This record gives sequence, structure tokens and C-alpha cells, in this order.
Amino acid sequence: QKEVEQNSGPLSVPEGAIASLNCTYSDRGSQSFFWYRQYSGKSPELIMFIYSNGDKEDGRFTAQLNKASQYVSLLIRDSQPSDSATYLCAASNFGNEKLTFGTGTRLTIIP
Amino acid sequence: GAVVSQHPSWVICKSGTSVKIECRSLDFQATTMFWYRQFPKQSLMLMATSNEGSKATYEQGVEKDKFLINHASLTLSTLTVTSAHPEDSSFYICSARDWASGAAHIQYFGAGTRLSVL
Repeated sequence: QKEVEQNSGPLSVPEGAIASLNCTYSDRGSQSFFWYRQYSGKSPELIMFIYSNGDKEDGRFTAQLNKASQYVSLLIRDSQPSDSATYLCAASNFGNEKLTFGTGTRLTIIP
Repeated sequence: GAVVSQHPSWVICKSGTSVKIECRSLDFQATTMFWYRQFPKQSLMLMATSNEGSKATYEQGVEKDKFLINHASLTLSTLTVTSAHPEDSSFYICSARDWASGAAHIQYFGAGTRLSVL
């Protein structure tokens, strides 16, 4: 069974600090990885996606992928209270349109 | 770009009635849309893949006769929950891909529909 696993949290981080969110996946055929942010009662919104090993930076966000370890992470620098949300990790295979979601990590930024 | 509109955002219905949820791609054509369900404090679970002009592909354990999906045009997919019961109360979310863009692998989500069955 293809699985994406995340620590459910809650993860509490002081404002201005770096928040680190982690995700592992079991399907070695997974090629694309996505981080979505979901506020309570709202639908997910895309934060970042990554395909290649290494780091990918976009503003305060950095996604990291290590295919050998089957590990994906999201770093949020200079955390803001507005970053408080549930972060969902998702994976898909090229040629397979489906996304497999993790259970999400609830992040709270403490002012 | 890549805006997905979902309607209604909230619906309350009586047990035994049917509810239709619409998902529209506003600024692109979506040959494929996806329907998810999310229970409180749980992740998104894919219910079915909606294909324009053909039958939807349902995930294992999802009753196709209960959750009717119609994808009659390139911009509209509908999910009808038939004979709804309280256990169908959930947050239903659709998504779509913009295959014509350079980011065809990305799913854009609608705002979701919260269904409460009394």
C-alpha cells in the first residue's frame, strides 16, 4: 500500500524561528512531491512542489527531497503567526494523476 | 490563473435526500477532475477521478451508485450524494489540473463543500 507519513504534531514554533516539517513515503515510484497548507475549515493551497533531489527555495519556504531516504521536508524561515495551519505532504508518480496525501502536521506559531 | 470554483460551500440536508455539488475550472479546461472527502482531523481521501466524456474511476470502497459523478464538459464536474445519511456528513473537495499549462502536474483545489446531513 502506498503511504505518505507525517508526524501529526502539534508542532509549536516561536515566531521568527524556523519550522521544520517532515514527510516520508513508501512508494519508490513516487516522482513528484507537494506541500499544501490547509487552514481550519478551508481547502488545501499549494505551497511548493519538488521533483529533484536537493533543495528548492521559494521565499521563506524551502523544500528538501532525498529520494534515497524517501524523505521530503519543508522548512519555513522567519515563521509568522499566519503560518499556523495544517501542512499536508503529497506524492504522485509520473503518469499517475493521483495524489497520495499524508495525514498532515498541525503547526502553531507562538507570538 | 488556475482557479477552481466549487459550489455550494455549505449545505444542510435531511437524511434520504440527494445533494449535488458543482466543481468548475474558471480559466482553464480540465479533462480530469478529482473528488476528495475529508473527515474532521483526517487527511484528504480520494473518492474518484472524474473524466470528461467518460465514466468516473472510483477508489476502492467508494460506492459509485451513491456518489454519482458527471463530467459533461471540460469545465464542469458534479458530484451527487444520493440518499444522504448522517455518516455522509463531511468536507467534500474537488481539484483539477491545467494540462495546457507548464504545471500540468499540479492539482488546484476548490474551496470545498461542507455537507451536514440531519
